[in-house]
Amino acid sequence: DAGVIQSPRHEVTEMGQEVTLRCKPISGHNSLFWYRQTMMRGLELLIYFNNNVPIDDSGMPEDRFSAKMPNASFSTLKIQPSEPRDSAVYFCASSGGRVNEQFFGPGTRLTVL
Amino acid sequence: AQTVTQSQPEMSVQEAETVTLSCTYDTSESDYYLFWYKQPPSRQMILVIRQEAYKQQNATENRFSVNFQKAAKSFSLKISDSQLGDAAMYFCAYKVPQGGSEKLVFGKGTKLTVNP
Repeated sequence: DAGVIQSPRHEVTEMGQEVTLRCKPISGHNSLFWYRQTMMRGLELLIYFNNNVPIDDSGMPEDRFSAKMPNASFSTLKIQPSEPRDSAVYFCASSGGRVNEQFFGPGTRLTVL
Repeated sequence: AQTVTQSQPEMSVQEAETVTLSCTYDTSESDYYLFWYKQPPSRQMILVIRQEAYKQQNATENRFSVNFQKAAKSFSLKISDSQLGDAAMYFCAYKVPQGGSEKLVFGKGTKLTVNP
């Protein structure tokens, strides 16, 4: 099993640009989560999907953030337009089964200049 | 709302010694799951150990064990025979069972340093 796959691993962009982060969950998992980690705020849940349907997006900071899950094997998190305060590590995680423990991807380190 | 508190921002331990990381949580639920995750400098989040609240026996995974005190809402992690590779951020997390919210609620983390 390849685990949760995220791309890119690092992204450097300029303020105002669109950023798209990608995630492939573990095969067979039915829940997918997007987190943001910063020194100031720690680990925050942005949104999660169950069976490709967004269940809770209350953590999405503002309208500049959007997430999609067009099928069970792929999700995107988009920031448009990006701002320097969006700089963080973004994690994707997936879960499935009775306990539903979450397995995390390696993260994408985003830097917005 | 459920909250998870890790009162020790930083801890240090000598190699081969034992260290205990503290975690308390607040919930009105009777059935839930608790987890410890490790995040080394590589930043990969790794599940260390989990505990199901209805189980009285404390979970153990090799050198890692927990002290689960349900009445006190306490879930501490004990690392025995500490190794240099144990140096990392450790996050305590809480989750309600399947059927409820799938959210994990995380503490702020404890940075563990292992001294040779």
